[in-house]
Amino acid sequence: QVQLHESGPGLVKPSETLSLTCAVSGYSISSGYYWAWIRQPPGKGLEWIGSIDHGGKTYYYPSLKSRVTISVDTSKNQFSLKLSSVTAADTAVYYCARDIPTGYFDNWGRGTLVTVS
Amino acid sequence: ETVLTQSPGTLSLSPGERATLACRASQTVSSNNLAWYQQKPGQAPRLLIYGAFSRPTGIPDRFSGSGSGTDFTLTISRLEPEDFAVYYCQQYGNSPLTFGGGTKVEIK
Repeated sequence: QVQLHESGPGLVKPSETLSLTCAVSGYSISSGYYWAWIRQPPGKGLEWIGSIDHGGKTYYYPSLKSRVTISVDTSKNQFSLKLSSVTAADTAVYYCARDIPTGYFDNWGRGTLVTVS
Repeated sequence: ETVLTQSPGTLSLSPGERATLACRASQTVSSNNLAWYQQKPGQAPRLLIYGAFSRPTGIPDRFSGSGSGTDFTLTISRLEPEDFAVYYCQQYGNSPLTFGGGTKVEIK
């Protein structure tokens, strides 16, 4: 059973960079699929941020592309998100998920709340 | 980008009733690449349907998806108590990937 677990600071100051890591267990990232970050502002809907494949090829949501970097570390079986120049509008629960492939999301982490303040 | 509009915003029903949720796309969803998710408070979304009508292993058959082109439907044939939640559609046929705004199914 694939399991994903997000980790990182729960509070980030405005204009700084949000950094999160997703640890994957039960499946080797090197084996394939894509790996995604999705966020959900409090009380609102879901927004795809971007995805990465095991080789490091990335796909980003256009309106976030200038601020987002997603990277993968196959040796640690994890992938990461960096979002720069954050504002209060970036306050959200951030989820990592397995992307089948650059498509839909079949396994999700529990999510982590990041507050920009 | 493809905008997904879900309706109604809230559906008030009783256990045992049939729920019909709609998802309309602003442009044709390529290859009917549309998914549905269920989200309960404080939990991550759960995949219910992909490819417009396919169910992953473990999803009860009371959940069914239909539709094509720009109009898609999620039907819950008989609501169980655990089905009261928020449901989201998501398209992956066109870039970028986008989600609908959600439909809340609440107990009447």
